[in-house]
Amino acid sequence: DGGITQSPKYLFRKEGQNVTLSCEQNLNHDAMYWYRQDPGQGLRLIYYSQIVNDFQKGDIAEGYSVSREKKESFPLTVTSAQKNPTAFYLCASTEREPNTGELFFGEGSRLTVL
Amino acid sequence: QKEVEQNSGPLSVPEGAIASLNCTYSDRGSQSFFWYRQYSGKSPELIMFIYSNGDKEDGRFTAQLNKASQYVSLLIRDSQPSDSATYLCAVDQKLVFGTGTRLLVSP
Repeated sequence: DGGITQSPKYLFRKEGQNVTLSCEQNLNHDAMYWYRQDPGQGLRLIYYSQIVNDFQKGDIAEGYSVSREKKESFPLTVTSAQKNPTAFYLCASTEREPNTGELFFGEGSRLTVL
Repeated sequence: QKEVEQNSGPLSVPEGAIASLNCTYSDRGSQSFFWYRQYSGKSPELIMFIYSNGDKEDGRFTAQLNKASQYVSLLIRDSQPSDSATYLCAVDQKLVFGTGTRLLVSP
C-alpha cells in the first residue's frame, strides 16, 4: 500500500536534546512538507521540499532543520534551539504542483519535552 | 491579518441539520482552496477542493467559492454525529491553513 510513514508516533525528549522525526513516502511524490500543530490550532508550515537536495523554510523554521537526500525521505530535526517544541508534527507529500492535488499526510508524531 | 481565517467554534448542530463552515482569505490572487477534516488526534484528510467560483457538490458536501468576496465555505447536509471533527480550510501553494472550525453534531 502506498502512503506516508512517520516515526516514532510518540517521543519524549529532555530539554537541550536534539531529536529527529522520520518521514518516508512511497507515493513517488516530488514535494514533501513538515507542519506543526499545537492544541486548538491549525497547521503551521515548518519546511518544505519540492525536489531532492532542495528545501525551503516555511513560516516557523527557527529551531528546526531538514534534509532531502532521497526522494522518499524528508527527516525533521528538532534542535535544542527550538524553545517550545512540544507539539504534534505532521509530514505530508504531494505532486510537485500542490495546487492541483491533495496533501497526503502521515499519522503524525507527538513530541513532548519533559 | 492572518492569511486564512476561520471561526474556531465549536459549531453545534443537531443530527440531520445543515452545517455551514466558513473561511476567508487575504490573498486576492489565490487560486485553489481545500477543505480537510481532522478527527481528534488524527491527521487531516481531504474532503473537497474547489478552484472556480460557484458551488461544487460531492455527496452530502458542497463547497462554495466567492473570489470577489474572498471567502470559501463548506456545507454539510444531513449532518451525522460521525461528522464531528475539526474542519481545516487551506489555500493555494504551500497550502496555508486556517486554525480550523470544530464541528459538533449532536444525536
